[in-house]
Amino acid sequence: GQNIDQPTEMTATEGAIVQINCTYQTSGFNGLFWYQQHAGEAPTFLSYNVLDGLEEKGRFSSFLSRSKGYSYLLLKELQMKDSASYLCAVRGSGGYQKVTFGIGTKLQVIP
Amino acid sequence: GAVVSQHPSRVICKSGTSVKIECRSLDFQATTMFWYRQFPKQSLMLMATSNEGSKATYEQGVEKDKFLINHASLTLSTLTVTSAHPEDSSFYICSARDFVGQETQYFGPGTRLLVL
Repeated sequence: GQNIDQPTEMTATEGAIVQINCTYQTSGFNGLFWYQQHAGEAPTFLSYNVLDGLEEKGRFSSFLSRSKGYSYLLLKELQMKDSASYLCAVRGSGGYQKVTFGIGTKLQVIP
Repeated sequence: GAVVSQHPSRVICKSGTSVKIECRSLDFQATTMFWYRQFPKQSLMLMATSNEGSKATYEQGVEKDKFLINHASLTLSTLTVTSAHPEDSSFYICSARDFVGQETQYFGPGTRLLVL
């Protein structure tokens, strides 16, 4: 099975940088996703890591260490609209490669 | 990016009735579709996985006779909540993955179900 841990809530200041951590224990691994979800809406794709290292995409970066079962999402130059839940999700290596989600980290950006 | 639609976006029904939710991939062929359920302040919980033309695979604890899934074509999957009860009220989200670019899963906008 999959076990995914991430902080439930974080607060950061507009313009700052925030790092959201995610640790996982899985029976099989075939990639890690980060999604953003605003209240009442479906998740939107942010990033995908399958190899170790840092993937940068604009203000958002995602890091993966497979040996440590660890990932983080880095948000730079925070904007008020970044207030949302950020979901860490792991794809298994079984036949359907199911994606299992963590509980999500609710980020509040304050002025 | 790829687009997944869901219909209806919101539905209110009486207890005991059945509700059908459609999920469509609009610009790609979805070989695999996933149905998730999300209760307030909780994460997405996978209910079932379906491949076109075959029976769905349900997660533990999900009643297959209550949540009927049909994946009749490469662009359409339906979830029918049969004999709905108030505890089935939730946010139902489908997700689709194509074959060529299996890297990403695309999510539909979700269907909010309220059972009175």
